[in-house]
Amino acid sequence: QVQVQESGPGLVRPSETQSLTCTVSGGSIGGSDDYWGWIRQPPGKGLEWIAIINYSGTTYYNPSLMSRVTISVDTSENQFSLKVNSVTAADTAVYYCARWRSSLGCFDPWGQGTLVTVSS
Amino acid sequence: DIQMTQSPYSVSASVGDRVTITCRASQDISSWLLWYQQKPGKAPKLLISSASSLQSGVPSRFSGSGSGTDFTLAINSLQPEDFATYYCQQAKSFPLTFGGGTKVEIK
Repeated sequence: QVQVQESGPGLVRPSETQSLTCTVSGGSIGGSDDYWGWIRQPPGKGLEWIAIINYSGTTYYNPSLMSRVTISVDTSENQFSLKVNSVTAADTAVYYCARWRSSLGCFDPWGQGTLVTVSS
Repeated sequence: DIQMTQSPYSVSASVGDRVTITCRASQDISSWLLWYQQKPGKAPKLLISSASSLQSGVPSRFSGSGSGTDFTLAINSLQPEDFATYYCQQAKSFPLTFGGGTKVEIK
């Protein structure tokens, strides 16, 4: 079955750009109704949706983050990525990638998550 | 944006108890409601889609109900592995939004 796995640096300096990649295995990132997305969770807090993208590059962003976030897809590598610009301590969180099933509106499956800490 | 409000914030219960968690949407979301379970240090796991459809492999003691703006997740005969935090999520419109979570703790 489909699995997703996040990768990227765990420490980013304030004002810099954070980059994460999600690798999809067990299935193709393209050619279906599925989207692929990012969700984050600050330590001890709840879940915040960031963005989703499909294989053709159609994107949806959370307006609260849209000005600083870019999601992209690389179908040849079966990967999708997230960039967050001008990071601050408020961007410190566990970042999850997941498949978004448009027919149900649900995120499933999720990656294990990766903690990104913004600190100098 | 559609706001999702969960209650209670936390609940203490014993093994074998029945627990109910409520999720209220700030506007009509029909049945576009998902429930997730998250254990400490783990990713959320999808339990229920379309407000009441149990995902494959999820024990039948979990059930979901509701439509419109008011939804409920019920756990019958609570088991030790059910102690976790539960989140609702609406998928009626963008931005996708989650409730604040309900922590089910051991009494």
